[in-house]
Amino acid sequence: DTAVSQTPKYLVTQMGNDKSIKCEQNLGHDTMYWYKQDSKKFLKIMFSYNNKELIINETVPNRFSPKSPDKAHLNLHINSLELGDSAVYFCASSLGLHSGNTIYFGEGSWLTVV
Amino acid sequence: QQQVKQSPQSLIVQKGGISIINCAYENTAFDYFPWYQQFPGKGPALLIAIRPDVSEKKEGRFTISFNKSAKQFSLHIMDSQPGDSATYFCAASEGAGANNLFFGTGTRLTVIP
Repeated sequence: DTAVSQTPKYLVTQMGNDKSIKCEQNLGHDTMYWYKQDSKKFLKIMFSYNNKELIINETVPNRFSPKSPDKAHLNLHINSLELGDSAVYFCASSLGLHSGNTIYFGEGSWLTVV
Repeated sequence: QQQVKQSPQSLIVQKGGISIINCAYENTAFDYFPWYQQFPGKGPALLIAIRPDVSEKKEGRFTISFNKSAKQFSLHIMDSQPGDSATYFCAASEGAGANNLFFGTGTRLTVIP
């Protein structure tokens, strides 16, 4: 059983389109995250949610909007896609917000904007 | 700015050798220092972690050395194996309330047979 699963794994789309990436965790965790990994493999947090509430919103364009319908799901919607949005997006979860709670990552969604 | 600095960017080690990856940080509020391992096409996975109240933690062939005064920590992989070939990330986070991990830039390790 996959602990943190995200779909789709690969996504190729044109500039200007709107797309969504879905994420689900079956670990019973309270906290979920979206991380972005760029072409140089640098990993940076985008958002974190705790019990469906937004906790962290890093400097991310408004075109990115996370939605958490329940604490097991955190979806990422991206409007008006740009070339620079091409990256790997990782969903992750942890038991809670306290530093030291292991963060479990999904396998990533490879987004290519052409 | 980069909260956690990591070096080297890439590392080639012979099978059986020792792999050493170094990280440095500035924020003294950081209180949790994990290392993540990422294989191609996969997400990062926790390898080993340390808190600043100890100077060393060992799990099997993997050891973290931590120097609080120098604000540095390192990962040592003893008896490196080809299966250890992956990208390794150090990271740091602070306190309660956010669990915001700041990652280093990654080290691509290749272990040659």
